[in-house]
Amino acid sequence: EAQVTQNPRYLITVTGKKLTVTCSQNMNHEYMSWYRQDPGLGLRQIYYSMNVEVTDKGDVPEGYKVSRKEKRNFPLILESPSPNQTSLYFCASSRLGGADTQYFGPGTRLTVL
Amino acid sequence: QKEVEQNSGPLSVPEGAIASLNCTYSDRGSQSFFWYRQYSGKSPELIMFIYSNGDKEDGRFTAQLNKASQYVSLLIRDSQPSDSATYLCAVNLISSGSARQLTFGSGTQLTVLP
Repeated sequence: EAQVTQNPRYLITVTGKKLTVTCSQNMNHEYMSWYRQDPGLGLRQIYYSMNVEVTDKGDVPEGYKVSRKEKRNFPLILESPSPNQTSLYFCASSRLGGADTQYFGPGTRLTVL
Repeated sequence: QKEVEQNSGPLSVPEGAIASLNCTYSDRGSQSFFWYRQYSGKSPELIMFIYSNGDKEDGRFTAQLNKASQYVSLLIRDSQPSDSATYLCAVNLISSGSARQLTFGSGTQLTVLP
């Protein structure tokens, strides 16, 4: 089954404790992206990647890191989480980038205390 | 001014009616336009995409694009309670500096009343 998976689905942590949210896709897509979703603000792009070892900032990259060492994986790293990073996070993949259909993972709900 | 704007709603329509969802965008040069549906607590899923001016129909859904006026709309005919969800407009804004970015509106919450 073609899918994008994310782990964990739910996470409660404390300020400053490094965490990683994993994302994996099995569709051999070149493009992967991370979004955060907050009430009233919609989906905002954090980082995206067009291919292995190629990443670029989206609209709200501050406080986040990503890596793309393998085509299928695109982890999101919060080196020192803060309460304003409490949000619902989605990973997405597509064949051709922003001009193509995005396939979303199930989401990760993160709470930073 | 937001780059992609939608009425946040909520929008309520009776079952069987036509629901009309609207979206405006800031960049006249944008080329790709998408409508996603998101049920509460779930991830967005694609409803339709449209690239050319005019109408595009798929079942009960019709997407309408007017590049001169910089708006895109989604019509849902014969609305069903199962259509109750948040609808997200997404635009591949050329002005974002990269054709690889997709910018979403904040979404319109639709409720179809039985």
